[in-house]
Parts: sequence; C-alpha cells; structure tokens
Amino acid sequence: EAQVTQNPRYLITVTGKKLTVTCSQNMNHEYMSWYRQDPGLGLRQIYYSMNVEVTDKGDVPEGYKVSRKEKRNFPLILESPSPNQTSLYFCASSMEGLNTEAFFGQGTRLTVV
Amino acid sequence: AQSVAQPEDQVNVAEGNPLTVKCTYSVSGNPYLFWYVQYPNRGLQFLLKYITGDNLVKGSYGFEAEFNKSQTSFHLKKPSALVSDSALYFCAVRASGSARQLTFGSGTQLTVLP
Repeated sequence: EAQVTQNPRYLITVTGKKLTVTCSQNMNHEYMSWYRQDPGLGLRQIYYSMNVEVTDKGDVPEGYKVSRKEKRNFPLILESPSPNQTSLYFCASSMEGLNTEAFFGQGTRLTVV
Repeated sequence: AQSVAQPEDQVNVAEGNPLTVKCTYSVSGNPYLFWYVQYPNRGLQFLLKYITGDNLVKGSYGFEAEFNKSQTSFHLKKPSALVSDSALYFCAVRASGSARQLTFGSGTQLTVLP
C-alpha cells in the first residue's frame, strides 16, 4: 500500500530536549516536505526537499532542521524545542512536477511543556 | 508571493442540500489548484485538482470544483451533501515559477446536519 508513515503519532516533551520525528514514504517520490498545522493558520511549510541531499527552507523554518540522506526518509529534527513549537506536524511527499498531488502522513501531535 | 484565502471558517448545510466551500487565490504565473479533506485524527486526503483545460473538475466522493480565472476562485461543490462529508477542507495552490511550494488556505470546517 502506498503510504507516508510518520512516527511517533503523539509526543510530549520538555523544553530543550532534542527530538526527531521520522517520515518515510514507499512511493519513490522525489519531493518531500514538512508542514505544521495550527488553528486558523492552515498548514505552513517548514522545510522541503527536492531530492536526496537537496533541502530548502519553507515559510517557518526557525527552530527546525531536516536531512535527506535517503530518498524514502525525511526526518524533522527539533534541536531545542520550545513551547511555541507545540503543534500538529505533517510530512508529505509527491512526484516531480507542479501538477502532482501530495500524499500526507497521519500527523504527529507534539506538545512541548 | 502566492496566497490562498478561504473566507469561511465554518459552513453548515443540511443533508441532501448542495454545498459550496469557497476558495480564492493569488499567484504569479499559471495556478495549479488542489482541494484536500481532513477527517479527525487523520492526515490530509487529496480530493481533486485543476491543472488546465475544463473549468469544472470532478473528484473523489462526488465532489467537484469550478475554476474561474477572472475571479481567481476555485470553489468546491457537491450537489447533495452527506453527513459523512463533515470534515475540514483545505484549498491549496502551486504556481509555475514558484519553488514548487504548495500554499494552503486556513481551512473550512464543513458540518452537514442530519
């Protein structure tokens, strides 16, 4: 089954404790991205990757890091989480091309206390 | 910069009635427009997209959307709403010339009343 898998689904952590949210896709997609969803703001892009070892900032990259060492994986790293990073996070992947739809993971609900 | 506006946070409609969820966009270049649906505790699911050609696009679950270039709109429609259509709906746009960024609206909560 074609899918984007995120882990964990739920995470509660303390301020400053480094964490990683994993994302993996099995569709051989070139393009992957991370979004955060906040009430009233829709989805905002954090980082995206157009292929292995090619990443770039989205609209809200501050406080986040990413890497793309393999085509299927695109982890999101929070080196020193803060309470304003409490949010619902989604990973997405798509084929190359402007007209291709994105496939989304199930989401990771992160709470930073 | 590209942007998407969904002017209604909430839309309520009776089951069996037609529904419309509004979306307007602003881009430089040709727009590629998408609708996604989000059910509680789930990721976003693709409904339909406009690339070029026919202004009326048909998608999953009986939904359709009408592209209007002069009004820069891409409203989502369904002739007869079901209670199971109740969900959060997002409009999104990419534009030729952009860095392939998919920009989302703020979402519209659709509630279909039995």
